[in-house]
Amino acid sequence: GAVVSQHPSRVICKSGTSVKIECRSLDFQATTMFWYRQFPKQSLMLMATSNEGSKATYEQGVEKDKFLINHASLTLSTLTVTSAHPEDSSFYICSARDPSGPQHFGDGTRLSIL
Amino acid sequence: AQTVTQSQPEMSVQEAETVTLSCTYDTSESDYYLFWYKQPPSRQMILVIRQEAYKQQNATENRFSVNFQKAAKSFSLKISDSQLGDAAMYFCAYRAGTYKYIFGTGTRLKVLA
Repeated sequence: GAVVSQHPSRVICKSGTSVKIECRSLDFQATTMFWYRQFPKQSLMLMATSNEGSKATYEQGVEKDKFLINHASLTLSTLTVTSAHPEDSSFYICSARDPSGPQHFGDGTRLSIL
Repeated sequence: AQTVTQSQPEMSVQEAETVTLSCTYDTSESDYYLFWYKQPPSRQMILVIRQEAYKQQNATENRFSVNFQKAAKSFSLKISDSQLGDAAMYFCAYRAGTYKYIFGTGTRLKVLA
């Protein structure tokens, strides 16, 4: 079964709305999680590294105030897309680093902003 | 900066035949991991195979094997006895000490019946 749960799987909302996406590690404690963005027919691009108990590390070109990341516990990281606009529509995927082995990916969230 | 390049946007293979997907990468690190991920239409990321850079032996997982050429920085994926269920996007990925993945642009594999 899945070891990383990502919720919701699909969200459609109006422009200007803030949307929160959750990423949970189910069987292990993840001090580090990652958020990726994937545009249609393109590759996954790392947006930020989420560190438990500290600030996230953002990749160049990613707006910190636009994409808020909170990693308040060892099993949960959240990505909030603030004041979302149509250009934010994309597929967002999280992954969690399992200290005992590989990294696990969530099933992704398809975000559509109308 | 590390980069991963997949030069084949799309490949086709006849069912039961063998196909090889290419991947090259660039890094100055000596210790790293390489991966092939499969992404079907559901968009799940499914790990196909992984290779540790310090291992000379090529990784194998059932019908999937890699040809890892460290000096050439090449990491190709061979799929033997291709099945219809193998049709998907395949991403080559690199990971070093920071644990963040760098993905290639992907190769869409079509399997012809």
